[in-house]
Amino acid sequence: GESVGLHLPTLSVQEGDNSIINCAYSNSASDYFIWYKQESGKGPQFIIDIRSNMDKRQGQRVTVLLNKTVKHLSLQIAATQPGDSAVYFCAETDDKIIFGKGTRLHILP
Amino acid sequence: NAGVTQTPKFQVLKTGQSMTLQCAQDMNHNSMYWYRQDPGMGLRLIYYSASEGTTDKGEVPNGYNVSRLNKREFSLRLESAAPSQTSVYFCASSDAMNTEAFFGQGTRLTVV
Repeated sequence: GESVGLHLPTLSVQEGDNSIINCAYSNSASDYFIWYKQESGKGPQFIIDIRSNMDKRQGQRVTVLLNKTVKHLSLQIAATQPGDSAVYFCAETDDKIIFGKGTRLHILP
Repeated sequence: NAGVTQTPKFQVLKTGQSMTLQCAQDMNHNSMYWYRQDPGMGLRLIYYSASEGTTDKGEVPNGYNVSRLNKREFSLRLESAAPSQTSVYFCASSDAMNTEAFFGQGTRLTVV
C-alpha cells in the first residue's frame, strides 16, 4: 500500500473519544484555511474550511478553530470512529494553496 | 461524476527519460494545481495555474514544466527524469484560488 505518511506525527485516540489535531501555519497574509483527510492510496478530500474573518466553524462532527494571533489552526473530531483513521492535513491560502506536514490519526478499539 | 482525472495511474521511467502527466477536470474550475507527495513530506506545490492562460511556480518547480492547455486540462512534464522525482503526483482544481480544491487519485511515478 501507499507509504505516504510513514514518518508523520501520529495521534492515537480511543474509539468514541474526541480527537484534536493541531496545525501551525506560516503566512500571516493567508486568508483561507482548509482541512483535508487523506486515506491510504487516495487523494486528499475536503473536510471543512474557515476564512480569516472567523475564529470557529462547525460541520458534521467536526469543528475548526482559528487563532490568527498565534497562527494556529485546529481540527476537532467528535466521537471518533474507525472510519476517521487517515492522515489529516491543514492547508493555507494566500495566492496559492500550501499544505502542512500532516498528522496520522490512529483509532484504538 | 468524474471530477479530476489523472493519467497514468502508475509509471516507471529510466533516468533521463521524459514524460507528461495528464490532468483534466470537468467542474469548469478556473484554477488548477500540481503537487508531489513524498513520505513524511506532505504535499508540496510544484506549479499552479490561477486561470486559463497563466501558470506560476510553486514551492518545488525545478525539473518540471507545465502547460494549461485549456480550461479543462493542465499537464506536467518531466523533460529528463531523475530518481529524486520518484513520488506520488496529485493534480487538483478549484473554482478560485481561495476556495476548496478537489484532488485526483494520483500518479505514482518511479524513476530508476
